[in-house]
Amino acid sequence: DAGVIQSPRHEVTEMGQEVTLRCKLISGHNSLFWYRQTMMRGLELLIYFNNNVPIDDSGMPEDRFSAKMPNASFSTLKIQPSEPRDSAVYFCASSLVATGANVLTFGAGSRLTVL
Amino acid sequence: AQSVTQPDIHITVSEGASLELRCNYSYGATPYLFWYVQSPGQGLQLLLKYFSGDTLVQGIKGFEAEFKRSQSSFNLRKPSVHWSDAAEYFCAVLNNAGNMLTFGGGTRLMVKP
Repeated sequence: DAGVIQSPRHEVTEMGQEVTLRCKLISGHNSLFWYRQTMMRGLELLIYFNNNVPIDDSGMPEDRFSAKMPNASFSTLKIQPSEPRDSAVYFCASSLVATGANVLTFGAGSRLTVL
Repeated sequence: AQSVTQPDIHITVSEGASLELRCNYSYGATPYLFWYVQSPGQGLQLLLKYFSGDTLVQGIKGFEAEFKRSQSSFNLRKPSVHWSDAAEYFCAVLNNAGNMLTFGGGTRLMVKP
């Protein structure tokens, strides 16, 4: 398996532009997590999906952020409009939640720079 | 609410020396605990995990960690550090439902030749 695949790996954009980050889950996994990593706040959970349904989006910073799972293997995280403070590395992770004891596998991340 | 504290932000050790990275957690039930490693510009790679059973767990790359319930700790150890171990290390706790993985702030390890 190729693991969790994220794209793009790097994105540089200007303030006000729309940004879309993409994530392909590991085949057979049914849970998807989006995390954001910054120097100031470390790794923060933004949103969690189980079986394509958003379960907990309490970590999404504001309405400019939205996430979707159009199918069981793919997710997008959209920021519209983007702001310089959104600059961070965004990770997605997938897992197979059969019981509580499960392991999250992370993608390589998407580094976003908003100018 | 669950939380993880990694008291050491930076640690420098000499190559060949032993290593211990500290991790303390706060969780109301028996925790599921993890150590991940992040090399520069890379994602998070799982080093080891504790779910139950033997409190000393072995991981990849020669790492091990010991769960001590009385101290709410899950410290990571390696007997002899290699230059390639230089990276950032994250301790994490997973809730019993398996849907909330909370990370510590990370410890950046530097290895002197």
